[in-house]
Amino acid sequence: AQTVTQSQPEMSVQEAETVTLSCTYDTSENNYYLFWYKQPPSRQMILVIRQEAYKQQNATENRFSVNFQKAAKSFSLKISDSQLGDTAMYFCAATGTASKLTFGTGTRLQVTL
Amino acid sequence: DTGVSQNPRHKITKRGQNVTFRCDPISEHNRLYWYRQTLGQGPEFLTYFQNEAQLEKSRLLSDRFSAERPKGSFSTLEIQRTEQGDSAMYLCASSPSGGKTEAFFGQGTRLTVV
Repeated sequence: AQTVTQSQPEMSVQEAETVTLSCTYDTSENNYYLFWYKQPPSRQMILVIRQEAYKQQNATENRFSVNFQKAAKSFSLKISDSQLGDTAMYFCAATGTASKLTFGTGTRLQVTL
Repeated sequence: DTGVSQNPRHKITKRGQNVTFRCDPISEHNRLYWYRQTLGQGPEFLTYFQNEAQLEKSRLLSDRFSAERPKGSFSTLEIQRTEQGDSAMYLCASSPSGGKTEAFFGQGTRLTVV
């Protein structure tokens, strides 16, 4: 069983600035995967970045990177050079061998001019 | 682009009626998932299929809910005797396999029970 907690319901960042979204999780599994998904208004959810728990190196995808602290069960998302198109709900999620995703409650990110 | 397709996009129904939603996954994906998302919450897992076999069902999936995936292609989710508490966005996702593999989501079916 897994739980995912996102403690920031809303965040705001100015265009071109950097923002960090927080996520903590709990799991009883030894082998698990962590994800950040983005859900723009009225559009489908898309994968932003994924992290395999057995890999110590933090994942990076262009302007998106994670800070994975396994001992602390923390998995934060950093968005650099924020763009207006980054405005969306961001969900942290975890999955184990069962393959189903367990999502947090989401963080609404607003990028402003 | 043949992504995950869900129909209908919106459904308004009267309490007590039955509704059925359809999901067409990406064609080569053998895993298909159903999630439910209520306002202000993250999606919650309902059930998933590996090909035509339904491998897991959440306790959220009451007896009024049934899902099928005949022939391992499209899937349907039926809700019988709808209740106001069933109002939500129903999301379908597919993936080629589980674990670290990315799940591709459809745009969802928004159900409103009046």
